[in-house]
Amino acid sequence: GQNIDQPTEMTATEGAIVQINCTYQTSGFNGLFWYQQHAGEAPTFLSYNVLDGLEEKGRFSSFLSRSKGYSYLLLKELQMKDSASYLCAIAYSGAGSYQLTFGKGTKLSVIP
Amino acid sequence: DSGVTQTPKHLITATGQRVTLRCSPRSGDLSVYWYQQSLDQGLQFLIQYYNGEERAKGNILERFSAQQFPDLHSELNLSSLELGDSALYFCASSVDGGGTEAFFGQGTRLTVV
Repeated sequence: GQNIDQPTEMTATEGAIVQINCTYQTSGFNGLFWYQQHAGEAPTFLSYNVLDGLEEKGRFSSFLSRSKGYSYLLLKELQMKDSASYLCAIAYSGAGSYQLTFGKGTKLSVIP
Repeated sequence: DSGVTQTPKHLITATGQRVTLRCSPRSGDLSVYWYQQSLDQGLQFLIQYYNGEERAKGNILERFSAQQFPDLHSELNLSSLELGDSALYFCASSVDGGGTEAFFGQGTRLTVV
């Protein structure tokens, strides 16, 4: 089966940097996604990593280590609007099927 | 706007009833996923369709079923509803069946009373 772990909650200060970690266990790994979800709204795509290393996109960066089953999302210059849940999701395939499984999410609160 | 349309946005129904949730994927997307999100729970994968055929099944109850039609829209049918079925139901679509980002609709909030 698949297992995804991420912290339940985090708090950070406006203007600071925060790192949200995600560890996973799966077979047939086909990539890792990060999504942002504001309460009651749809998840929106942030980043995708399939190879080891860092992907940078503006204030957001995501890192992947496949050998360690580990990823992190780095948010810089935090803004109040970054208060949301951040979902780590792994894509995996096997026996002709493909699935996208989400972790429970990390609720980030940005404080002044 | 993700381009994925879900209807209805809200649904209130009684226990034992049956409802149908509808999803229209983004233009050009062949794959549709259904997820359930309850309070304090993550997104639970229910089922995936690709170009009209069932591709993968997650934790979907036997009381639930889905299909994808030739025009690629999808419907999720929930029957014999229980109080515990109250949740946000999201549909997502992607271009293909793997390795590409999924775009989510705004969800249908189902309340079973």
